[in-house]
Amino acid sequence: RKEVEQDPGPFNVPEGATVAFNCTYSNSASQSFFWYRQDCRKEPKLLMSVYSSGNEDGRFTAQLNRASQYISLLIRDSKLSDSATYLCVVNSPDYKLSFGAGTTVTVRA
Amino acid sequence: NAGVTQTPKFRILKIGQSMTLQCTQDMNHNYMYWYRQDPGMGLKLIYYSVGAGITDKGEVPNGYNVSRSTTEDFPLRLELAAPSQTSVYFCASSYSEGAPGYTFGSGTRLTVV
Repeated sequence: RKEVEQDPGPFNVPEGATVAFNCTYSNSASQSFFWYRQDCRKEPKLLMSVYSSGNEDGRFTAQLNRASQYISLLIRDSKLSDSATYLCVVNSPDYKLSFGAGTTVTVRA
Repeated sequence: NAGVTQTPKFRILKIGQSMTLQCTQDMNHNYMYWYRQDPGMGLKLIYYSVGAGITDKGEVPNGYNVSRSTTEDFPLRLELAAPSQTSVYFCASSYSEGAPGYTFGSGTRLTVV
């Protein structure tokens, strides 16, 4: 079983729409969770950390459900510039980061 | 402020050839990492280093070697290139292991034919 699993998508949404997707992780001992953004043929960049109580960063909201071992990302009022692949990242038991394969979001005009 | 610099950006190798992927960071980070990313797959850790003179294997180290003689540089060596090593390679650094803010280089696209 993969350490981090994501729905690859793609999620095709119109500008202004809300899009949400989840990621599941296999190790219940994982302590830290993050969302990274990766544009086509570019390097990953940290989007936001995910805290136990959930957190927002502008139009982005991240949630953590430890009981079911998943995290989620919601994007409100989607912009064309939100088109990217979103990587779910989990701190593995040996404190190294495990990356999901990514969920692709395409925002259309 | 350059961050993490990787060279070359693209390379085509023939089977059996060798090459070194260069990685340099100017943030004085102790921790450095090499990942590979295959289409549709998550980043896989090849090797990592927690400081000058210290390196360790990651998830997929076979076919690769690394060295860390200085804090700034962390080159990745492919000795006998194989088609299975066709991938995009990312170098990253962080101020601590598992820190959220890994800084990645722009990547090296390697094709082995």
